[in-house]
Formats: sequence, C-alpha cells, structure tokens
Amino acid sequence: EVQLVQSGAEVKKPGESLKISCKGSGYSFTSYWIGWVRQMPGKGLEWMGIIYPGDSDTRYSPSFQGQVTISADKSISTAYLQWSSLKASDTAMYYCARHQTVHNWNDAFDIWGQGTMVTVSS
Amino acid sequence: EIVLTQSPGTLSLSPGERATLSCRASQSVSSSYLAWYQQKPGQAPRLLIYGASSRATGIPDRFSGSGSGTDFTLTISRLEPEDFAVYYCQQYGSSPMYSFGQGTKLEIK
Repeated sequence: EVQLVQSGAEVKKPGESLKISCKGSGYSFTSYWIGWVRQMPGKGLEWMGIIYPGDSDTRYSPSFQGQVTISADKSISTAYLQWSSLKASDTAMYYCARHQTVHNWNDAFDIWGQGTMVTVSS
Repeated sequence: EIVLTQSPGTLSLSPGERATLSCRASQSVSSSYLAWYQQKPGQAPRLLIYGASSRATGIPDRFSGSGSGTDFTLTISRLEPEDFAVYYCQQYGSSPMYSFGQGTKLEIK
C-alpha cells in the first residue's frame, strides 16, 4: 500500500526550532515529488513548497521562502519540514502529499499524509 | 502568481440534487493543470479530479470536472450524504507556487 506517515503532534514555544517528518512507503520514494501544505485552524489549504527526493531539487512558494526549510533523506524515505524559530502564527496542521506521476513536476497530489498539528504558544 | 477564486463560498443543497462549483483563475491555467480536492472534517484532502476533467482512481462517476483557460467547474450529478464536505481547486501549471482556491463548503440543506 502506498502511504505517507507523518510524525506526531507538536507543542512548542515561540522562538523554538522544530523539524517534522513524512515517511513514504509502498513506492519508489526517490521518483516522486513530495510537497507540504499548511492549513491554519478553520482555514483553507496553502501550498508551501515541494522537493524531489531523488536529487533534493526544492521549490518554495514566495510566501514561505526563507520561513521554512524542506529537505529529504532518501536513505530512509523521509521528507522533512523545519523551522529555526517558530512563531505563534505557525500554529497549523501541516500535510505532506505526493505528486501523482513519477518524475512529474506539474502534477496534482494523489497521496496525502495524515497531517501533523503544530501548536506554538507561550 | 495565479489567484484562484471559488464560488459560492457555501452551497446548501439536499441529497439527490446536482451541485455545481466554480473555480476562476486570475490568469490562464496552462495545459488545464487544474485539480479538485474534497476535504471532510478531521481528514486530509482527497484528490477527485486532475487535468481539469480526469477522475482520480476510485472516484465515483457522479463527480465530473470541466473547463479550460480561466474558468473551471466541478459538478456532482446526484449528491450522496457522504459528499457534503469542503472542496478546493488547485492549479499546478504556474510555478513557483501551485496555489489553491479558498474552498467551497457544500452543506446539507
């Protein structure tokens, strides 16, 4: 079964760092782009960025460039989203999702992780 | 950056009725790189339609997508109780950001 399994919920204080993960299984992890999507409480979906684990080519939305870092470790089929200094406004559900077609950059997300809730509060 | 505007914001219908959801882009979406997703409370989104009109694997044929350029439509021919959810469109033809619309909530009347 093709699936993405994300790390568990996090509660952090403003200014702390954080790295959440997304582990792929059931398919060739290095051959499909994986993206991250933010959903703030009660709000819609926001496309953050995407990475190709095969060569770590990464693209960011201008809204998130410089605010987060997307990375991947292909040896353990895991993608990451990290913050160096969290803000209260980073409180949200974060989803990872896989592109539908092998190697394809222009593509929709067909497989989604279950989401990781990040709460930032003092 | 392409901005997607979905309408209506909320659609109130009864089971068995036909639902028509709209997604309008601020610029032409190249190669009809337009997808539709369904999201239920507490769940991750689910891909329904890609390439503006192709149904994803396992999606019932009561769901259909149409449109090109700047105007796209998701139609649900006969609403089932499980179809009441929030629906998002997404364009994936214009990098560096593959933007989502703000969503349409489909609620039971």
